[in-house]
Amino acid sequence: GENVEQHPSTLSVQEGDSAVIKCTYSDSASNYFPWYKQELGKRPQLIIDIRSNVGEKKDQRIAVTLNKTAKHFSLHITETQPEDSAVYFCAATGRNTNAGKSTFGDGTTLTVKP
Amino acid sequence: DSGVTQTPKHLITATGQRVTLRCSPRSGDLSVYWYQQSLDQGLQFLIQYYNGEERAKGNILERFSAQQFPDLHSELNLSSLELGDSALYFCASSERYTNTGELFFGEGSRLTVL
Repeated sequence: GENVEQHPSTLSVQEGDSAVIKCTYSDSASNYFPWYKQELGKRPQLIIDIRSNVGEKKDQRIAVTLNKTAKHFSLHITETQPEDSAVYFCAATGRNTNAGKSTFGDGTTLTVKP
Repeated sequence: DSGVTQTPKHLITATGQRVTLRCSPRSGDLSVYWYQQSLDQGLQFLIQYYNGEERAKGNILERFSAQQFPDLHSELNLSSLELGDSALYFCASSERYTNTGELFFGEGSRLTVL
């Protein structure tokens, strides 16, 4: 089955700096890579996703890059703000990935210091 | 508001007991997923239903079972509860058969086993 590794597990940055979270996956059939943000005590919410036919996608201060050859994808947050502090999860899935289930990474706790 | 409703929000029970968690998906979504999130842990996939049928199974214990009813709501039954079953249980829904689109999570049901 799919295996997703996420690094780092914790990340602390100063407000205004950039943050990068990286994930690798094992199943080359995976073709959908979402990122979810979970604030403390809240539900996970999708913040950005990318499909395998695209190498990069950007939405304001958030961007995701995908390298299918190397089987890794990354989340980039620029000009970080205290409200970016949360746990971020990556996931990988596809039509052939164990009947459609997503495999989530273990999460990265991002702390943005004011 | 994701449109996914989970009840109860909190539940405290004793070891050996049985509980039922309920989930109503977003209007129109046919897929329902159940995830377990233990303290400081990631999202562990338990099971997926699509239009009443079991679609995919993760690391769900034999003491746990689920079903999706004709009106598309789903229930997760946890029996012979152990201390280690204490966790936040999330339900998520999506419109797709395969998980290649956004998952909409409910607020979760926090189970405490004493």
